[in-house]
Formats: sequence, structure tokens, C-alpha cells
Amino acid sequence: EDKVVQSPLSLVVHEGDTVTLNCSYEVTNFRSLLWYKQEKKAPTFLFMLTSSGIEKKSGRLSSILDKKELFSILNITATQTGDSAVYLCAVVVRDNYGQNFVFGPGTRLSVLP
Amino acid sequence: GAVVSQHPSRVICKSGTSVKIECRSLDFQATTMFWYRQFPKQSLMLMATSNEGSKATYEQGVEKDKFLINHASLTLSTLTVTSAHPEDSSFYICSARGGGQGNTIYFGEGSWLTVV
Repeated sequence: EDKVVQSPLSLVVHEGDTVTLNCSYEVTNFRSLLWYKQEKKAPTFLFMLTSSGIEKKSGRLSSILDKKELFSILNITATQTGDSAVYLCAVVVRDNYGQNFVFGPGTRLSVLP
Repeated sequence: GAVVSQHPSRVICKSGTSVKIECRSLDFQATTMFWYRQFPKQSLMLMATSNEGSKATYEQGVEKDKFLINHASLTLSTLTVTSAHPEDSSFYICSARGGGQGNTIYFGEGSWLTVV
């Protein structure tokens, strides 16, 4: 059974701190890994990773994938209160019906002023 | 970026009635749409995958006669919760993937359903 695990499940930091969120997976037919940020409504797309070792960056956020060790990390530097959200990791797999998305449980990040 | 619109954003219905939620891809043709359910403080749970013009594929444990999914066109999928019960109250989110969008999926805004 395909599985995506995220850690920690919950994290509380202060503004200015740097955080690292972890996502590990055990799946068959891996295609790509996606990171999403979910605040009050639907998740918003952050990154898509398909190749190992290539860091993707967007402002204070960055992410990298290790396909050998089957994990990805999402880094947020100089955190702000607006970064408070649930961060979801999803792995795209190919199954008999096409492509499917397996979501992890999410990491709930709270950034205190 | 790609936009997926979901409507209504909030709906309250009486127990025993049916309610329909629409999911539209606004600037691309969505060959595949996904419907998720999310309980408070929990992750997204995939309910079903629908491909345009064919029957939806439901995840184990999801009643297909209760959650009717129609994907009649490349830009519209609907989820109908039939004979709703209070335990159906939840946050329902759709997402869509199109041929020109690679492996990325884009989410609708979600719909809060409250059954009273």
C-alpha cells in the first residue's frame, strides 16, 4: 500500500526561526512529489519535484527531493506569522487508472510573533 | 496559473435532501478531476477520481450511490451528496489536472457542507 509520512505533525516556532518539514514515502511507480500550503481553504501549490538533488526555491521557501532515500524536505527561512498553515506533501503515483495522488497527514506550522 | 472554481463555497441543507457541488476548470481542459473530503485537523481523503466521459472510480469505503460524481465535460465535474445526513457534514474539495498542466494538480476553493 502506498504511504506518505510527514514529520513533525505539529510545530510551533517564533518569527525569524528557520524550519524544516519532512516528507518520506513508500510507493510504487513514483512520478513526482508535490508540496502544498493549506490555510483556511483549499491547498495552494508550492513546489513540484521530480529529480533528486535539484533544489527548488521560491522566496524564503525551498525544497529538495532524495529519490534514493525516499524523502523530501521543505525549508522555510526567516518565518513569518503568515507562514502559519498546514503543509501537505503529496506523491504522484501511476496506477491502473492513470495517476493518483497520495497525501501525507500534513504538518501544522504555527509561527508566533 | 491554472484556476479551478468550486461552487457553492458554503451550503446548509436539511437531513434527507440532496446537494450538488460544482467544480470547474476555468482556463484549461481537465481530463481528470478528483474529489476529496477533509475533516477538521485531518488531511485530504480522496473520495473518487473522475475522467471525462467515463464513470468515476471510487476509493474503498466511499459509497458511490451516495456520492454521485458526474464529469460530463472537460471543464465541469459535479459531486451530488444524496440523502444527506449530519455525518456528511464536512469540507469537500475538488482538484483538476489537464493535459497541458503536467503532473501538477490545482485545487478548487472547497465547499463547506453542513447538514442539519
